[in-house]
Amino acid sequence: ELKVEQNPLFLSMQEGKNYTIYCNYSTTSDRLYWYRQDPGKSLESLFVLLSNGAVKQEGRLMASLDTKARLSTLHITAAVHDLSATYFCAVNGDDYNTDKLIFGTGTRLQVFP
Amino acid sequence: EAQVTQNPRYLITVTGKKLTVTCSQNMNHEYMSWYRQDPGLGLRQIYYSMNVEVTDKGDVPEGYKVSRKEKRNFPLILESPSPNQTSLYFCASSLSGVGRRGEQYFGPGTRLTVT
Repeated sequence: ELKVEQNPLFLSMQEGKNYTIYCNYSTTSDRLYWYRQDPGKSLESLFVLLSNGAVKQEGRLMASLDTKARLSTLHITAAVHDLSATYFCAVNGDDYNTDKLIFGTGTRLQVFP
Repeated sequence: EAQVTQNPRYLITVTGKKLTVTCSQNMNHEYMSWYRQDPGLGLRQIYYSMNVEVTDKGDVPEGYKVSRKEKRNFPLILESPSPNQTSLYFCASSLSGVGRRGEQYFGPGTRLTVT
């Protein structure tokens, strides 16, 4: 059974600091997604990582994928308050149910002044 | 505008009263899916559909039904809701097909409370 684990689950960080969120998954998967969710809102797609070594950046966020280690990271550079949200990683879970997503439990990020 | 819509956005109901949450997408996507989100459990798939008249169970299908009579619509039906179905529900769609995986687009969510 495919499992996706994120850590940390909660992250409180000061503005201007850097930090990394980790996403481990238990079996092979050919793509990995990062989503952002604001409280009470829907999921917003941040990154789709398609291959080993893929790196994508958007503003202060950078995501990478190591399929051999089954690990993805979401790096936050010089955090600002607007980045406060919950971040989920997800992988495709099933060869038949091709677009099914298995989600991590999320990392709740709070950025304070 | 390309989007997934859900209705209602908020619903409070009582145990046993049948309800339907509608989902519609305007992107001509083949794949549609329902997830529920619960604190500490993340998002889990309830049902999915790979095309019209093709539906199958996800990880937590008990107590739910779906139908896919048209490509754009994928309603979620709770025949006899119970309090343990209180949750935040998301519909999602993607352009999929044989040998192809699609990025999923999520609706705005429906917050359901069953008393």
